[in-house]
Amino acid sequence: ETGVTQSPTHLIKTRGQQVTLRCSSQSGHNTVSWYQQALGQGPQFIFQYYREEENGRGNFPPRFSGLQFPNYSSELNVNALELDDSALYLCASSLAYGGREGETQYFGPGTRLLVL
Amino acid sequence: DAKTTQPNSMESNEEEPVHLPCNHSTISGTDYIHWYRQLPSQGPEYVIHGLTSNVNNRMASLAIAEDRKSSTLILHRATLRDAAVYYCILRAVVIRNKFYFGSGTKLNVKP
Repeated sequence: ETGVTQSPTHLIKTRGQQVTLRCSSQSGHNTVSWYQQALGQGPQFIFQYYREEENGRGNFPPRFSGLQFPNYSSELNVNALELDDSALYLCASSLAYGGREGETQYFGPGTRLLVL
Repeated sequence: DAKTTQPNSMESNEEEPVHLPCNHSTISGTDYIHWYRQLPSQGPEYVIHGLTSNVNNRMASLAIAEDRKSSTLILHRATLRDAAVYYCILRAVVIRNKFYFGSGTKLNVKP
């Protein structure tokens, strides 16, 4: 059983650019959530995808968007990068069934994004 | 959104028990209490969860107050590898729920 993987591990961008982060879910999981974690703070929920559709969203602007693919891998896209977007971006997968979300989320190691 | 309150930091000696408290006075009847921890330079990892009854697993125990407005994560014998930030999270087990972390408790374990 493979765990959750994310790529790249580190990334440097400049303000105004666009970035795509990738996540490969744990085998058999159909739900993926993305989080932003600023230095010294807890992770903040960005959105969740279930069966390729956005399933819930936190307080993030539309320039944060995502995709979930049929193989349940996922992307987080951020347009028009701002300095405050510098953070660790975490994805987490879980298994949802019968209208109930899995009780445990499995997190990847994260992608550290620096915006200059 | 259901919120939790935890102390910013705690300190423990190695091989001694650690009790990490969490207040969640606005908990609803469908909210499970989850604990995750985040070791340095890693993503959070699941520790334990419960609804009403106390729970035990190989990592820890979870003691839930009778009114469910508070809970305590118990590490029976702290090791240096338990040094991490511990998050207490309320989570409704339905699709479209959001998963809110607070600031967590940073646990320091002294040898």
